[in-house]
Amino acid sequence: ETGVTQSPTHLIKTRGQQVTLRCSSQSGHNTVSWYQQALGQGPQFIFQYYREEENGRGNFPPRFSGLQFPNYSSELNVNALELDDSALYLCASSPGLATNTQYFGPGTRLTVL
Amino acid sequence: GESVGLHLPTLSVQEGDNSIINCAYSNSASDYFIWYKQESGKGPQFIIDIRSNMDKRQGQRVTVLLNKTVKHLSLQIAATQPGDSAVYFCAENPDSGTYKYIFGTGTRLKVLA
Repeated sequence: ETGVTQSPTHLIKTRGQQVTLRCSSQSGHNTVSWYQQALGQGPQFIFQYYREEENGRGNFPPRFSGLQFPNYSSELNVNALELDDSALYLCASSPGLATNTQYFGPGTRLTVL
Repeated sequence: GESVGLHLPTLSVQEGDNSIINCAYSNSASDYFIWYKQESGKGPQFIIDIRSNMDKRQGQRVTVLLNKTVKHLSLQIAATQPGDSAVYFCAENPDSGTYKYIFGTGTRLKVLA
């Protein structure tokens, strides 16, 4: 059984650019959540996807968008990057809505200059 | 607003001693809580969870206590080891059906040799 994987590991962008981050969920998991973790802070919920549909969203602007694919992998897209978007972006998968346990990937470190 | 906070940002414990990490949550509707451990450069790792219909749950060397009256969680680590050094987060789920977990800012546990 493979765990949650994310790519890329690190990314540097400039303000105004767009970025796409990728996540492969753990085998057998159909639910993926994305979190933003600023330095020295706890993760903040961005949104969740369940069977390719958005199933809940946190307090993030529309320039944060996502997708989930039929194989349950997922993308996080951020448009018009701002300096405050610099953070660790975490993906977490779970076997479904019947269970609460989420398993996190190692994250993508995004730096916006 | 909703928040999960921790009383102590840094906890230093002698190797072999027991550690207690505390957490206050604000949403009385939260029905599920998780403790995560995050090592440097890694995503959060699930430690133990507890539902609101329980007040205590034990795992391997860890115990979580839940006091709903005062909205307080604690994580007890028995016989703390150097490998326990990490940042510990509690997270609450106030929205059953989605996993819009609210994380605190974390407590850094330092294990002294």
